[in-house]
Amino acid sequence: DTEVTQTPKHLVMGMTNKKSLKCEQHMGHRAMYWYKQKAKKPPELMFVYSYEKLSINESVPSRFSPECPNSSLLNLHLHALQPEDSALYLCASSNRDRAVDTQYFGPGTRLTVL
Amino acid sequence: AQTVTQSQPEMSVQEAETVTLSCTYDTSESDYYLFWYKQPPSRQMILVIRQEAYKQQNATENRFSVNFQKAAKSFSLKISDSQLGDAAMYFCAYRSANAGGTSYGKLTFGQGTILTVHP
Repeated sequence: DTEVTQTPKHLVMGMTNKKSLKCEQHMGHRAMYWYKQKAKKPPELMFVYSYEKLSINESVPSRFSPECPNSSLLNLHLHALQPEDSALYLCASSNRDRAVDTQYFGPGTRLTVL
Repeated sequence: AQTVTQSQPEMSVQEAETVTLSCTYDTSESDYYLFWYKQPPSRQMILVIRQEAYKQQNATENRFSVNFQKAAKSFSLKISDSQLGDAAMYFCAYRSANAGGTSYGKLTFGQGTILTVHP
């Protein structure tokens, strides 16, 4: 089963709110990724976790805080976001973080910041 | 840094016909992987096809095939017998296999091509 699940599907939040996005996979993958995607644009990499450790942070603002509690779960904590942070947030996973490993994407969380 | 260029923002095809989506990339590396991903409207992104740079043979997956020209740094996707379900945004992507490089493991996407399939 090549499935990555993300919750919630939609999220509306104010600039002072704190919320979290959740991503889960049960494929035994040891690499997980967060991407941000604006409408009709390609995904932009935000973070990479490899074996539950943060391996890549693409200079993402600190109002985005990732967390990988275990090998199956990836969270993205949101605080004091700006309207320009409104986007589709995609999670992906792969067997390892090697180039040969195919990334499987979740359906995304559509975030609106008011 | 590597770049990926998709020069066709939009393409259209009649059902059952063949269409080719273009992709070029720029890299100084010799070892890498190339991908085509499909993202239907409001649906999740899925992998269509993958090509290893060290393989000369073009990858094929059922109705999908690629024309990989390493010297020209070109990686086009051909969709044969187009179906309504092929309508989507297609992204070409590059991934470095250079373990010592700063971009190792990162997927670099092109800007995408929106494919419309007419019945």
